[in-house]
Amino acid sequence: LAKTTQPISMDSYEGQEVNITCSHNNIATNDYITWYQQFPSQGPRFIIQGYKTKVTNEVASLFIPADRKSSTLSLPRVSLSDTAVYYCLVGSTTRTALIFGKGTTLSVSS
Amino acid sequence: NAGVTQTPKFQVLKTGQSMTLQCAQDMNHEYMSWYRQDPGMGLRLIHYSVGAGITDQGEVPNGYNVSRSTTEDFPLRLLSAAPSQTSVYFCASSLAGTGDRGAFFGQGTRLTVV
Repeated sequence: LAKTTQPISMDSYEGQEVNITCSHNNIATNDYITWYQQFPSQGPRFIIQGYKTKVTNEVASLFIPADRKSSTLSLPRVSLSDTAVYYCLVGSTTRTALIFGKGTTLSVSS
Repeated sequence: NAGVTQTPKFQVLKTGQSMTLQCAQDMNHEYMSWYRQDPGMGLRLIHYSVGAGITDQGEVPNGYNVSRSTTEDFPLRLLSAAPSQTSVYFCASSLAGTGDRGAFFGQGTRLTVV
């Protein structure tokens, strides 16, 4: 099981771009990198997944270098409502249950 | 479409009492799982199920029982509550083959054991 390491917390201001990096040195060939977002008092929700290079959706971008030993979640122009915990997960499509780390608590101020 | 529904939302138990946390999903998902989240911590997997009649232990199964008699329901039972089980409990479901991208979570049950 690939272990992930990400910063415990980050602070930002509204309108800034936020990049959260996740290390996963022992990622397996068939593993994907997935990010979840959790607001206070709510369950986590999926935001983005990638295997290599770059993936972008309406919420975020995910950058994965060629060696896939790390990945970076990029949130463009954050707002106060982006204050949440962000979890990086690594696993294959055959995974039956998610394994979470401690996540990164992002605090956005005005 | 309700998604994943957990009941109750809040519960206070006395030490030694038993109770069942309910989880139901209406998406015909094969996989269901239970997590607990303690203050300032990530979610830890308690038990999971890959289909009706099949359950398995996660990272922190002690003190909890589960069963899966139907695809829709996955109740979590605390047989003798302890203060260490004070936590927020989340239930999740997903389709087989979606891996980490496909999990839908309920709103959580906040349990306090006194």
